[in-house]
Amino acid sequence: EAQVTQNPRYLITVTGKKLTVTCSQNMNHEYMSWYRQDPGLGLRQIYYSMNVEVTDKGDVPEGYKVSRKEKRNFPLILESPSPNQTSLYFCASSGTTNNYGYTFGSGTRLTVV
Amino acid sequence: GEDVEQSLFLSVREGDSSVINCTYTDSSSTYLYWYKQEPGAGLQLLTYIFSNMDMKQDQRLTVLLNKKDKHLSLRIADTQTGDSAIYFCAESGGSYIPTFGRGTSLIVHP
Repeated sequence: EAQVTQNPRYLITVTGKKLTVTCSQNMNHEYMSWYRQDPGLGLRQIYYSMNVEVTDKGDVPEGYKVSRKEKRNFPLILESPSPNQTSLYFCASSGTTNNYGYTFGSGTRLTVV
Repeated sequence: GEDVEQSLFLSVREGDSSVINCTYTDSSSTYLYWYKQEPGAGLQLLTYIFSNMDMKQDQRLTVLLNKKDKHLSLRIADTQTGDSAIYFCAESGGSYIPTFGRGTSLIVHP
């Protein structure tokens, strides 16, 4: 089944403890993105990648890192999480043919205390 | 930068039609999308329209695009309680990276 898989689904962590949220897609998509969703603010793009080793900042990149060493994986790294990074995170991927519409993962709800 | 605007809430009675509106600013938009997010789930691509089209129909869904006014709408005929969700408008221009609106919460009541 074509899908984007994020892990974990839920995570509670403490301020300053490094964490990684994994994202993997099995559709051989070139484009991958990370978004955070907050009430009243909709979806805001954190980082995106147009292919292996090509990443760029989105609208809210501060406090986050990404890497794209392989086409299928696009992990999101929080080196020193803070409470304002408590949010719902989505990974998404898209190919370069057809309509470029994104396929989204199921989301990761992160709470930083 | 590009901007996508949509109203935050829409309430309709079951069986009526729903119309969710969206405006965008990027004149180079190539594809325009509607996504649906059900509670506790990720976004699901509902439908899309290419910028050289005026209308697209898919069962109960009708998408209208007014490129001159940069206005996109999604009409859901015979709205059901299962249609209650957040609907996101999005557009992608030359970069093919979509810009999303804030989402419209559709509430369907009996």
